[in-house]
Amino acid sequence: NAGVTQTPKFQVLKTGQSMTLQCAQDMNHEYMSWYRQDPGMGLRLIHYSVGAGITDQGEVPNGYNVSRSTTEDFPLRLLSAAPSQTSVYFCASSYSGLIGAFFGQGTRLTVV
Amino acid sequence: AQRVTQPEKLLSVFKGAPVELKCNYSYSGSPELFWYVQYSRQRLQLLLRHISRESIKGFTADLNKGETSFHLKKPFAQEEDSAMYYCALRGQNFVFGPGTRLSVLP
Repeated sequence: NAGVTQTPKFQVLKTGQSMTLQCAQDMNHEYMSWYRQDPGMGLRLIHYSVGAGITDQGEVPNGYNVSRSTTEDFPLRLLSAAPSQTSVYFCASSYSGLIGAFFGQGTRLTVV
Repeated sequence: AQRVTQPEKLLSVFKGAPVELKCNYSYSGSPELFWYVQYSRQRLQLLLRHISRESIKGFTADLNKGETSFHLKKPFAQEEDSAMYYCALRGQNFVFGPGTRLSVLP
């Protein structure tokens, strides 16, 4: 049981490049979400999904796209990377609110 | 709207001293509240949840609906408790507070 797996762990992008951060969970969780963690700002919700085929915006969705074609996977796409997107990104999943969320190990992204 | 506030960015205590990390929330529905901990360069881990009324690593937290608070407490802090602590509220989705960095001094 791997839990929540994020790839890559580290990434450096040039401004304007696009990329996809991968997130997979093997716990059959319905709810998945993406956060960015910035110093002094805690975790801010980017996008979330309550099930396959359903996604919605969080607090800071601009510049990011998501899709949820399967229960297991919830990739986060950066369309045109900007330095303001330099951050640590965490993916999380949850079966129900009573359990709480399980987090991946994070992706440290630097946009130069 | 859901909102979680943690008024202290940094809290420093000496080993063996009591510690209280404050968390206040606003939510119109019935809240589900959690505390998460993040040790240096590790992923966030669920520490405890209000529904289970449990004690994990000596930490407890009581939901006070009247004061809309969910403060995290430990009677005797240990150096290994040094970490970032996040209070979180689940309504429609998870909302996290800004976090409090706890530093336990020897």
